[in-house]
Amino acid sequence: DVKVTQSSRYLVKRTGEKVFLECVQDMDHENMFWYRQDPGLGLRLIYFSYDVKMKEKGDIPEGYSVSREKKERFSLILESASTNQTSMYLCASSHGGNGQPQHFGDGTRLSIL
Amino acid sequence: DQQVKQNSPSLSVQEGRISILNCDYTNSMFDYFLWYKKYPAEGPTFLISISSIKDKNEDGRFTVFLNKSAKHLSLHIVPSQPGDSAVYFCAASGLKNTGFQKLVFGTGTRLLVSP
Repeated sequence: DVKVTQSSRYLVKRTGEKVFLECVQDMDHENMFWYRQDPGLGLRLIYFSYDVKMKEKGDIPEGYSVSREKKERFSLILESASTNQTSMYLCASSHGGNGQPQHFGDGTRLSIL
Repeated sequence: DQQVKQNSPSLSVQEGRISILNCDYTNSMFDYFLWYKKYPAEGPTFLISISSIKDKNEDGRFTVFLNKSAKHLSLHIVPSQPGDSAVYFCAASGLKNTGFQKLVFGTGTRLLVSP
């Protein structure tokens, strides 16, 4: 089974802090993704990566950056956390190719106070 | 602009009956459609998908139907079981101009199956 592991299930940080969310997958997937899930808005794509050191902006990249130094690891960075970044963050990975399903981690519920 | 829409935020069904979850999309360039199930405090799990060249795909109790002319797909669960109670997300996939596949998700439908 595909395993996508997010480093924290729950995280509480303060406004202005730099926040790192880590994600690791064990299936040698080329593609990795970061989403946030908010009530009534579904899953919205923040950033994705299709190869090591490659990254592309998703639909809502403002206030975020990412890092992919190794194939199995994809980090999401909140440069200066704000209260409107309180959300559930979901990491996913998939093989390349059209129609490949994405496999998700269990999410990190992040609260910014 | 919501390209993938799930207009019913919730659905209640009795155990043993059929559950029908609906999804509409606006972009005719989408070529794969997927359904995910999500339990509270867990990530979404992939259920079933369908290519745009098909109109039906079946996997056990789950069947997805695609009507391209209406830009509509539906997920049928027969028979429904209490363990099916979860939020179901519809997603559509299309190639970006980089050749990279991107998923666009709907807002989800919460299914409650009562005994």
